[in-house]
Amino acid sequence: GAVVSQHPSRVICKSGTSVKIECRSLDFQATTMFWYRQFPKQSLMLMATSNEGSKATYEQGVEKDKFLINHASLTLSTLTVTSAHPEDSSFYICSATIPGGATDTQYFGPGTRLTVL
Amino acid sequence: AQTVTQSQPEMSVQEAETVTLSCTYDTSENNYYLFWYKQPPSRQMILVIRQEAYKQQNATENRFSVNFQKAAKSFSLKISDSQLGDTAMYFCALGRGAQKLVFGQGTRLTINP
Repeated sequence: GAVVSQHPSRVICKSGTSVKIECRSLDFQATTMFWYRQFPKQSLMLMATSNEGSKATYEQGVEKDKFLINHASLTLSTLTVTSAHPEDSSFYICSATIPGGATDTQYFGPGTRLTVL
Repeated sequence: AQTVTQSQPEMSVQEAETVTLSCTYDTSENNYYLFWYKQPPSRQMILVIRQEAYKQQNATENRFSVNFQKAAKSFSLKISDSQLGDTAMYFCALGRGAQKLVFGQGTRLTINP
């Protein structure tokens, strides 16, 4: 149980284009999902917290107009990188928590590698 | 602000040996959770073990156990009888309820045959 998927697993795009990454909780409903960014050989940095039916909460320094997050259902959150540039190239990981669950554990998706040319 | 510090960037041991990864943290909260996550080369984050701060008993999961010292704000991970498949990045993380996690810098663990 508690499986989280991401799509696509990797994407290559041209500078200036937009890319959408999907995060799905497959066997549970997640009222809260998180989006992280991980640079090579570094730790995970939280970008935003995504709550179903409301606006995402962004961490300091993360441009909300560049990284659009939508959490329209209890099983799907999307991250859209708008007008992507080479510096946006990174590994993006989502996670989800089980609402009201005793574990208070985040379950992670497999990640999406974004390369902007 | 909450912080998590892993002071060992890299560690290497022989297969079947025991290894301990260190983690210290800082928080003003009374109720929180501590986690160890493993990130193998596939980069999938895998939960290794979790500890509720209100529990004095150290958590164990098969070959994995923790030494939780709440007063010292220390949370180390011990891997017994290490296996080649344990080779990965290990991240210590601090969280509270269904809220954001704060991760340490990570420790790259290599198990040598």
